[in-house]
Amino acid sequence: ELKVEQNPLFLSMQEGKNYTIYCNYSTTSDRLYWYRQDPGKSLESLFVLLSNGAVKQEGRLMASLDTKARLSTLHITAAVHDLSATYFCAVDRAYGGSQGNLIFGKGTKLSVKP
Amino acid sequence: EAQVTQNPRYLITVTGKKLTVTCSQNMNHEYMSWYRQDPGLGLRQIYYSMNVEVTDKGDVPEGYKVSRKEKRNFPLILESPSPNQTSLYFCASSWGQGIIGYNEQFFGPGTRLTVL
Repeated sequence: ELKVEQNPLFLSMQEGKNYTIYCNYSTTSDRLYWYRQDPGKSLESLFVLLSNGAVKQEGRLMASLDTKARLSTLHITAAVHDLSATYFCAVDRAYGGSQGNLIFGKGTKLSVKP
Repeated sequence: EAQVTQNPRYLITVTGKKLTVTCSQNMNHEYMSWYRQDPGLGLRQIYYSMNVEVTDKGDVPEGYKVSRKEKRNFPLILESPSPNQTSLYFCASSWGQGIIGYNEQFFGPGTRLTVL
């Protein structure tokens, strides 16, 4: 059974600090997605990682994928309050050909405090 | 504008009163899915559809029905709602099978359902 585990589930950070969110998945998959959800809002796609060693960066967020370790990380650099949200990772249930049918982790609720 | 729409956005109903939540996408996506989101449980898939007339159960299908008669629409039906179906529901769509590149899901705005 494919499982996706994120940790931590809750993260309280001070502005200006760095931190990493981890996403482990249990079976082989060659694409991984990161989403952001603001309170009361829908999910917004942040990053799509398609191959081993893929790294994507957008502003203070950087995502990477290690398919051999079945691990993706979302690194936050010099956090600011605007990054406060819940972050989800998701994995395609198919391998070797996407179905677009994703399984999600439980999310990491990030709170950045001044 | 490419989007996934859901209606209604908010609904309060009573136990046993049948309801339908509509979902429509204008991106010609083959794949569509319904999720429920509950505190501490993340997103759980209810049903999904790989194409017209092709639907399958997700992880928590009990108490729900779906249909896919047209490519753009994927309604979620609660024949006899119960209080444990009080939740935030999201519809999502993606290109579907055989995609080489990006195939992320695009989400609707959500429907907050309360069953009394």
